[in-house]
Order: sequence, then structure tokens, then C-alpha cells
Amino acid sequence: DTAVSQTPKYLVTQMGNDKSIKCEQNLGHDTMYWYKQDSKKFLKIMFSYNNKELIINETVPNRFSPKSPDKAHLNLHINSLELGDSAVYFCAIGWGNTIYFGEGSWLTVV
Amino acid sequence: GESVGLHLPTLSVQEGDNSIINCAYSNSASDYFIWYKQESGKGPQFIIDIRSNMDKRQGQRVTVLLNKTVKHLSLQIAATQPGDSAVYFCAALRAGNNRKLIWGLGTSLAVNP
Repeated sequence: DTAVSQTPKYLVTQMGNDKSIKCEQNLGHDTMYWYKQDSKKFLKIMFSYNNKELIINETVPNRFSPKSPDKAHLNLHINSLELGDSAVYFCAIGWGNTIYFGEGSWLTVV
Repeated sequence: GESVGLHLPTLSVQEGDNSIINCAYSNSASDYFIWYKQESGKGPQFIIDIRSNMDKRQGQRVTVLLNKTVKHLSLQIAATQPGDSAVYFCAALRAGNNRKLIWGLGTSLAVNP
């Protein structure tokens, strides 16, 4: 079983649309993250939640809004999608002294 | 500010040879340094980590060396296999509830048969 699962894996959508990416973890860990990986493979943190509470909110447009309905889920909602939002988005969990990543969601905005 | 960087964007080795991937960092306040492997179409996969007060740590076919004097760490892969072909990243971690990874650019390792 995958510890961190994301859906959808691939998403192609038009500019201006609103979309969500869902993330679920089955290990019961308190800390969850969203990372964005650009075309040059650079990975940057967007948000961090600990026990459903927002801990880290990097400089991210407010079109991006994380939602944590419970400890096992951290969803990412994106409003008014722009071309520059095209990237791979990774959900991750903090466990021990490291961070484990999901398989990623490939978002393409056309 | 904090930064973590890899020395070479690409590395090509022969199958069976040892691979060495290097990384430099700027912030001495990091608690851990972590190596990740990312295969095409997949998420970064944890390989091995090393605490900042250690010099060396060994895993299965991998060894990480940390030189705090020059702020340098390396990942050594013994007997490189085709399945080792991937992009490798080093990252620096501040531990605690506000865990935050400082993520470097990757090195693409190509293993030639």
C-alpha cells in the first residue's frame, strides 16, 4: 500500500478553471505538505499542515488554498488557473526526521 | 539565504562502476541531510539521511559522506545498476514540527550497460 496517495495523477485543464488535487495518507502522521516541482525539477514547499493546522505558508498566490478536513487528508484547491501553474504537485508527509512524497499530480494548464 | 546545490547536472557511469554524486550546502543550522532518488514519472524516494553531527552513514549499496568543514556531502553508489538511473537530489532539513526541506537541483544519473 502506498503511504501517500494523490488524485488525479494527470490533469489537463483550461486557463481560468478551478481544480482540486486530493491527497490522503494512511500512516496517521500529523504533518502533511504540498510541494511544487517546476520544469527544471526544482522542488519548493507550498504549505505545511500539522494536525490540521496550517504551519507553513510560503509565498504562494492566494488562488491556492489547502484544505485539511481531517488528519489523513490535505487537499489543494486552485482557483482561476494560469499557464504558470503547470507543474507537478507533490503531497508529502513528515515522518521521523524526513519527508516522504507521494507519486505526484501532473497539472497542465492550456 | 539557505541553499543546497549539486555540482554536476548530469553523470554518466558504466554498469558495475561506483557512482559519486556531490552536493554543497550553505546553512550550517540544518539538522539532517537527505538524499532522494526520483525516477521518471514518480515522486522523490527517500534513499538515506545523515544527521549533521555525523561524518558517514552506510546503507545498502549507498554511502553518504558529510564534510561540515567545507559544507559538502556526497552520495556514493556501489556497483551501479541500470535501475539506479534517475535524478538524485540532496536536501537539507530543519527538524521539528515545522520540518522544512531546502531542496537542491538534481543530478541526472545515467547508467550505461
